Amino acid sequence: ELKVEQNPLFLSMQEGKNYTIYCNYSTTSDRLYWYRQDPGKSLESLFVLLSNGAVKQEGRLMASLDTKARLSTLHITAAVHDLSATYFCAVDNTDKLIFGTGTRLQVFP
Amino acid sequence: NAGVTQTPKFRVLKTGQSMTLLCAQDMNHEYMYWYRQDPGMGLRLIHYSVGEGTTAKGEVPDGYNVSRLKKQNFLLGLESAAPSQTSVYFCASSYSILQGRYFGPGTRLTVL
Repeated sequence: ELKVEQNPLFLSMQEGKNYTIYCNYSTTSDRLYWYRQDPGKSLESLFVLLSNGAVKQEGRLMASLDTKARLSTLHITAAVHDLSATYFCAVDNTDKLIFGTGTRLQVFP
Repeated sequence: NAGVTQTPKFRVLKTGQSMTLLCAQDMNHEYMYWYRQDPGMGLRLIHYSVGEGTTAKGEVPDGYNVSRLKKQNFLLGLESAAPSQTSVYFCASSYSILQGRYFGPGTRLTVL
């Protein structure tokens, strides 16, 4: 059974700082997704990673995938308040997308 | 394009009542999904469909039924609602399994 774990579960960081969110999963997969969710809202797709070594960047966010280590990272560079949200990773397993528990990010001045 | 829409947005049920949640997509996507999200947890897959006329069980299927009679619609039914089914329900769709899912706005369901 595929399990997806994220850490940290909660992250409070100062504007301008860098940090990394980690996503580990338990069985082989080469398809991993990152989503953002604002409070009371739906999920917004951020990144789709489809192969080992894939790296995608959008603004201050960069995601990478290491399928051998079963690990994906979401790196935040020079955080700003607008990045405050909950971030989910999700791993594809035979048509099923299994989500991690999410990382709630709060960026303060 | 409306994308993925869900009806209703909010609903309150009494224990034992039944209801159907409707998901519609206008992107001609093959794959459709129903998830539930509970506080402090990620989304859990209830049922999914890989094409018109097909359905399959996800992680937490008990107490729910689904139907995909038309490609653009995916219905989630609760035959006898229980308080444990209080949750936010999200529908999603995708063209293929290599795409990220497009999520609907969610339905907040409370079962008293």
